[in-house]
Amino acid sequence: NAGVTQTPKFQVLKTGQSMTLQCAQDMNHNSMYWYRQDPGMGLRLIYYSASEGTTDKGEVPNGYNVSRLNKREFSLRLESAAPSQTSVYFCASEGDRGRDQPQHFGDGTRLSIL
Amino acid sequence: GESVGLHLPTLSVQEGDNSIINCAYSNSASDYFIWYKQESGKGPQFIIDIRSNMDKRQGQRVTVLLNKTVKHLSLQIAATQPGDSAVYFCAENMKTSYDKVIFGPGTSLSVIP
Repeated sequence: NAGVTQTPKFQVLKTGQSMTLQCAQDMNHNSMYWYRQDPGMGLRLIYYSASEGTTDKGEVPNGYNVSRLNKREFSLRLESAAPSQTSVYFCASEGDRGRDQPQHFGDGTRLSIL
Repeated sequence: GESVGLHLPTLSVQEGDNSIINCAYSNSASDYFIWYKQESGKGPQFIIDIRSNMDKRQGQRVTVLLNKTVKHLSLQIAATQPGDSAVYFCAENMKTSYDKVIFGPGTSLSVIP
């Protein structure tokens, strides 16, 4: 089982460039999430999608946009990258938001903004 | 509030010994807790979970203990192996106006062969 797949695995951008991080899950999960992970800090929620067709802001949404393309895919877009967005980005999925179950994570996209 | 810092707490144990990793959670309204393992270059991987109506749950070589009085969670790993070397972090699921998961910063476990 592939689980949660993220692309690309690594990316280097210049300040002001834009890019989209892709995420797909094959577990038929309703809820999907985007997090960033910075050294010494816990995962911080950027955006989430409780179900297909809905998206909501998380803890740190500024500078990002998302699209829930279909049930499988949830993308994260940086319109104008800034050095403060250098981080490791993780996508996760969950059967149903609000029920007691763990999230399943991809292996991350390591993004550097120069 | 968030932890700010570049260095994770580190626990070093001898292969074969038991490991205990601790976590203090923040909100008494949290009712579901999860432990994740994160290996270098990988995403977090689910290990074990526990609901607030329990104080102990066992899995294969792992046990989670929950003390709601002091808002403390621990993960015990029996007979620690080199493959257990990773960062471990807890997550609490708060039932507020929306379902909010708070992740701790983690503890780095290093197993000495």
